[in-house]
Amino acid sequence: AQKITQTQPGMFVQEKEAVTLDCTYDTSDQSYGLFWYKQPSSGEMIFLIYQGSYDEQNATEGRYSLNFQKARKSANLVISASQLGDSAMYFCAMREPNFNKFYFGSGTKLNVKP
Amino acid sequence: KAGVTQTPRYLIKTRGQQVTLSCSPISGHRSVSWYQQTPGQGLQFLFEYFSETQRNKGNFPGRFSGRQFSNSRSEMNVSTLELGDSALYLCASSLAVAGGPEDTQYFGPGTRLTVL
Repeated sequence: AQKITQTQPGMFVQEKEAVTLDCTYDTSDQSYGLFWYKQPSSGEMIFLIYQGSYDEQNATEGRYSLNFQKARKSANLVISASQLGDSAMYFCAMREPNFNKFYFGSGTKLNVKP
Repeated sequence: KAGVTQTPRYLIKTRGQQVTLSCSPISGHRSVSWYQQTPGQGLQFLFEYFSETQRNKGNFPGRFSGRQFSNSRSEMNVSTLELGDSALYLCASSLAVAGGPEDTQYFGPGTRLTVL
């Protein structure tokens, strides 16, 4: 079974609007970490936001927030007030504590339209 | 703090050759992971080194190998290159302690390898 599933290969959003990128995960561990990364066309993976499995509050970092629904095993990324520079691939990832294993989803390509 | 650095940034090789890629992690980070990224296969985990020991390994043939030095710098080697090895190779480092945000992986800019 896939550890991380991102069901939206591509998305469009109008500049200044909010957008939600979906991510579901699969783990039997109680302790795990969830991450979102942005990859512009230059190729570098940029860390955006982290959510721990025991965190009761949804994580926020500037215009990024993570909608964490533990029972549903979902960790959706919300980008508010989209900017043209947000156009990129976005990857959801999970870390399981055993042996520091990271799992990445297949990514969502976000295009922000002016 | 300086970020993760990778050298070289671009590389062109021919089939059958071998290649060595280098990664210098963020100062203090002891875990270094390597990933291969291709348009068709996405981001695939190669291996992870922690304190000079390979701790995790992905599903790649033995032509792909790596090592980590005492200063946490890491190299990966690909022998007998094939056309399908053309990819972006990403290195990531983390503190890899007991869990939490400190285990965030930070990536380098990548090495883009083209095999002709």
